Amino acid sequence: EVQLVESGGGLVQPGGSLRLSCAASGFTFSDLYMDWLRQAPGKGLEWVGRSRGEANSYTTEYAASVKGRFTISRDGSKNSLYLQMNSLKNEDTAVYYCASSIAIDGVAHIFFSWGQGTLVTVSS
Amino acid sequence: DIQMTQSPSSLSASVGDRVTITCRASQGIGNDLGWYQQKPGEAPKSLISAVSTPQRGVPSRFSGGGSGTQFTLTISSLQPEDFATYYCLQHNSYPFTFGPGTKVDIK
Repeated sequence: EVQLVESGGGLVQPGGSLRLSCAASGFTFSDLYMDWLRQAPGKGLEWVGRSRGEANSYTTEYAASVKGRFTISRDGSKNSLYLQMNSLKNEDTAVYYCASSIAIDGVAHIFFSWGQGTLVTVSS
Repeated sequence: DIQMTQSPSSLSASVGDRVTITCRASQGIGNDLGWYQQKPGEAPKSLISAVSTPQRGVPSRFSGGGSGTQFTLTISSLQPEDFATYYCLQHNSYPFTFGPGTKVDIK
């Protein structure tokens, strides 16, 4: 069973930066596709971006709303995923989740495991 | 971007009721459709992958179906622990997009 634990959230001023971390255990980290998602207060779920697994060279994808401002990376030696957030805006305020995905026997299990979330508040 | 809609946006039901939630995609997404359950203050939980494949440990009262652009999540006999918000997700193309959610509460 994959366990994911996020950290690094907090209060930051508009224009500031923050780095979130997601520690994974219970699975071969390099096999996993890892995503960041977010949920603004009282709102629905929004996909932020993805890091593919080692077989796909850890390439990344981003939502248009964060492209150029956010960067996803991973450290295999620490089984950790990161989200570097720059030029933060008020509308980036949300609970940020990391989630894992994998294909097994031809079935894509998307976001089969989620972390508990970490709150990012962008405000002056 | 592929737009996802859900109906109804909310429903009130009783324990033991059969409940069906519909999700529609703005274009065909093959079988790249998942369902998630979220309770207040908690992270979402994966219920169904690939339209109809239940995640391990998900009760058999949850089932998914559909094809093309229209999909359903059915709870055959609603239990007290099922009162939550349910989201569908398309992962056929980037950006991945969720439906707006269906809140299921107690009648």
